Amino acid sequence: EAQVTQNPRYLITVTGKKLTVTCSQNMNHEYMSWYRQDPGLGLRQIYYSMNVEVTDKGDVPEGYKVSRKEKRNFPLILESPSPNQTSLYFCASSYGGRNEQFFGPGTRLTVL
Amino acid sequence: AQSVAQPEDQVNVAEGNPLTVKCTYSVSGNPYLFWYVQYPNRGLQFLLKYITGDNLVKGSYGFEAEFNKSQTSFHLKKPSALVSDSALYFCAVRDGTGGSYIPTFGRGTSLIVHP
Repeated sequence: EAQVTQNPRYLITVTGKKLTVTCSQNMNHEYMSWYRQDPGLGLRQIYYSMNVEVTDKGDVPEGYKVSRKEKRNFPLILESPSPNQTSLYFCASSYGGRNEQFFGPGTRLTVL
Repeated sequence: AQSVAQPEDQVNVAEGNPLTVKCTYSVSGNPYLFWYVQYPNRGLQFLLKYITGDNLVKGSYGFEAEFNKSQTSFHLKKPSALVSDSALYFCAVRDGTGGSYIPTFGRGTSLIVHP
């Protein structure tokens, strides 16, 4: 089954404790991206990647890091999480940047 | 800069009636337009897109949307609503001319279909 998986689905952590949210897709997509969803703000793109070792900033990259060492994986790293990063995070992938995206199930992060 | 507006936070419709979820956009180049649906506790699912060609686009689950360049709109429609259509709907736009790979999403419209 074609899918995008994210782990963990739920995470409660404390300020400053580094964390990684994993994302993996099995569709051989070149393009992957991370979004955060906040009430009243819709989805905002954090980072995206056009292919292995090619990443670029989205609209809200501050406080986040990403890496793309393999085509299927695109982890999101929060080196020092803060409460304003409490949000619902989605990973997505697509064939190139112009096509529809396939979204993961989401990771609900709470930073205390 | 590109932007998307979904002017209604919520749309209420009776089952069996036609529904419309509105979306207007602004881009400097050619618009790539998308509609996604989000059910509770799920990720977004693609419904339909307009890249080029016929202004009337048909998508999944009986939904369709009409690209109107003069009004810069891409409203989502369905002739007969189902209770199961109740969900959060997002419109998204990307500038297809400038090479930007950053789509802009609207704030979402909650569709509630009453039995």
